[in-house]
Amino acid sequence: DAGVTQSPTHLIKTRGQQVTLRCSPKSGHDTVSWYQQALGQGPQFIFQYYEEEERQRGNFPDRFSGHQFPNYSSELNVNALLLGDSALYLCASSLGQVGINQPQHFGDGTRLSIL
Amino acid sequence: GESVGLHLPTLSVQEGDNSIINCAYSNSASDYFIWYKQESGKGPQFIIDIRSNMDKRQGQRVTVLLNKTVKHLSLQIAATQPGDSAVYFCAEKATGNQFYFGTGTSLTVIP
Repeated sequence: DAGVTQSPTHLIKTRGQQVTLRCSPKSGHDTVSWYQQALGQGPQFIFQYYEEEERQRGNFPDRFSGHQFPNYSSELNVNALLLGDSALYLCASSLGQVGINQPQHFGDGTRLSIL
Repeated sequence: GESVGLHLPTLSVQEGDNSIINCAYSNSASDYFIWYKQESGKGPQFIIDIRSNMDKRQGQRVTVLLNKTVKHLSLQIAATQPGDSAVYFCAEKATGNQFYFGTGTSLTVIP
């Protein structure tokens, strides 16, 4: 049973560049959430996708955008990168619609470093 | 915004002892809670969850207690093992399906 997979595992970018991170959900899951985790902090919710639409969004600027594909995989795009965007980006998948209490299962993340 | 906090940032226990990790939450409307374990270089790993209509739930070597009166959550780990060393997060869900995480408690098991 494949868990949540993310790619790439590490990435180095410079300020102003754009980045795309990818996530494949756990087998059987249809909902994908993205989180940003700064060093020494808990994950912070960016947004959630279900049925190829953004269903809920956290307190992140429009530079952060996403997409969900018909096979439930998802991408996170960040434009105009800032030094403060350096973090571990986590993808979590779950089953069910917004509001249903289901556990989210996480991948091991993409470590993004901005120079 | 939501606030999920932990009483102790670090906890050291002897191997074989029981561990208790505490978490305070601020939103009385939160209806679902999850404990996660995160090892270095890994993503958070689901341990156990509890819904707000329950006050206790048990898993393998772990028990979660929920006190809605004081908005407090705890994770008890029985017979703590070196492999339990990690950072533990509690996460709460209030509106929609957005989870709020605390800053974590680092558990160190002393052999």
